[in-house]
Amino acid sequence: EPEVTQTPSHQVTQMGQEVILRCVPISNHLYFYWYRQILGQKVEFLVSFYNNEISEKSEIFDDQFSVERPDGSNFTLKIRSTKLEDSAMYFCASSGQGNSPLHFGNGTRLTVT
Amino acid sequence: QQPVQSPQAVILREGEDAVINCSSSKALYSVHWYRQKHGEAPIFLMILLKGGEQKGHDKISASFNEKKQQSSLYLTASQLSYSGTYFCGTEGSGANNLFFGTGTRLTVIP
Repeated sequence: EPEVTQTPSHQVTQMGQEVILRCVPISNHLYFYWYRQILGQKVEFLVSFYNNEISEKSEIFDDQFSVERPDGSNFTLKIRSTKLEDSAMYFCASSGQGNSPLHFGNGTRLTVT
Repeated sequence: QQPVQSPQAVILREGEDAVINCSSSKALYSVHWYRQKHGEAPIFLMILLKGGEQKGHDKISASFNEKKQQSSLYLTASQLSYSGTYFCGTEGSGANNLFFGTGTRLTVIP
């Protein structure tokens, strides 16, 4: 069964550094998402992406964040200057169309020191 | 935009039933339900698209009351494998976002 893959599984970085989290969505899916989950808390929506542009973003997704689909398979989340509070599990998800199930990757655990 | 879930946590013995509620202050077009095991990604359970729709999945079913902007997840004859955190996710019409609720931690004990 096709799945969403994320790399790396764990990223440790120093405060102020830039990080890029990578995702390969399911190949025939059209909608892509990033979510984050601080340990033990709820899953928070960051951004959705469709037709090569951002379609929705939350108030969490400020100027420090950006997303890109650099080629036909990868979907990346960049955090320009990481802060301690960016430490969380970041999940990528994809869906085939609007209002259809989201398929999540296994996540990247980001630790900012 | 974030829906509210209740209860926050529930402990069941195997074979018991549970209901998890999800409500929103905004008009809903669809409601999703996901289960997340500790340290894992959320896994899709079901989606409800129409007001009043009820869907079932094994012994897990859900209803969606569009007028009340509420959904409920019903777990019957619970099994140990049902343990995890359940999240509802809601979308408004024309939106391409899915906001998850606060989560309900379900623990099933023998």
